[in-house]
Amino acid sequence: TQLLEQSPQFLSIQEGENLTVYCNSSSVFSSLQWYRQEPGEGPVLLVTVVTGGEVKKLKRLTFQFGDARKDSSLHITAAQPGDTGLYLCAGAARASGTYKYIFGTGTRLKVLA
Amino acid sequence: KAGVTQTPRYLIKTRGQQVTLSCSPISGHRSVSWYQQTPGQGLQFLFEYFSETQRNKGNFPGRFSGRQFSNSRSEMNVSTLELGDSALYLCASSWGDPTYEQYFGPGTRLTVT
Repeated sequence: TQLLEQSPQFLSIQEGENLTVYCNSSSVFSSLQWYRQEPGEGPVLLVTVVTGGEVKKLKRLTFQFGDARKDSSLHITAAQPGDTGLYLCAGAARASGTYKYIFGTGTRLKVLA
Repeated sequence: KAGVTQTPRYLIKTRGQQVTLSCSPISGHRSVSWYQQTPGQGLQFLFEYFSETQRNKGNFPGRFSGRQFSNSRSEMNVSTLELGDSALYLCASSWGDPTYEQYFGPGTRLTVT
């Protein structure tokens, strides 16, 4: 069974601090996505990474895909209260013309003003 | 461009009943995926439809079914509801491959009593 473990599960930090969220698996993924979900809403796609070692930046957010495409990290610089939410990674593994798509266990982030 | 819409937003049903949820994708998107989100299991993939055909399926019992119409709108049906089916049901649409880019609706909160 493929699993995507995220750590930490919960994170409460002060505004202005930096943080890193990890997404780990023993399986290889063809692509990996990061989402942020706020209460009462569906997840919003932040980024998709497809190449091992790939680094993508989205303003204060930096995403990295592991060289072996089994893990990923999300780093937020100078966190703001607006960053509060549930962060989810999701990986796709392709084989025989189809794919398996699984979500990580989630990291709930709270940024205090 | 209008986002993904889901109806109804909230639903209360009794054990043993059946329920149908509706999803209207973003205009032009041909793929619709359905997910179940619960506090215990997180976000799990149910199935994906593309051009009226089920293209992929997760590990859910046959009580969960879906269909897609020629205008890409999709419905999900759950028969013989169980208490454990209480969850947030999310649909997401994409132009082609949901593992690269997809947009979620706000979800339907189903409560089974």
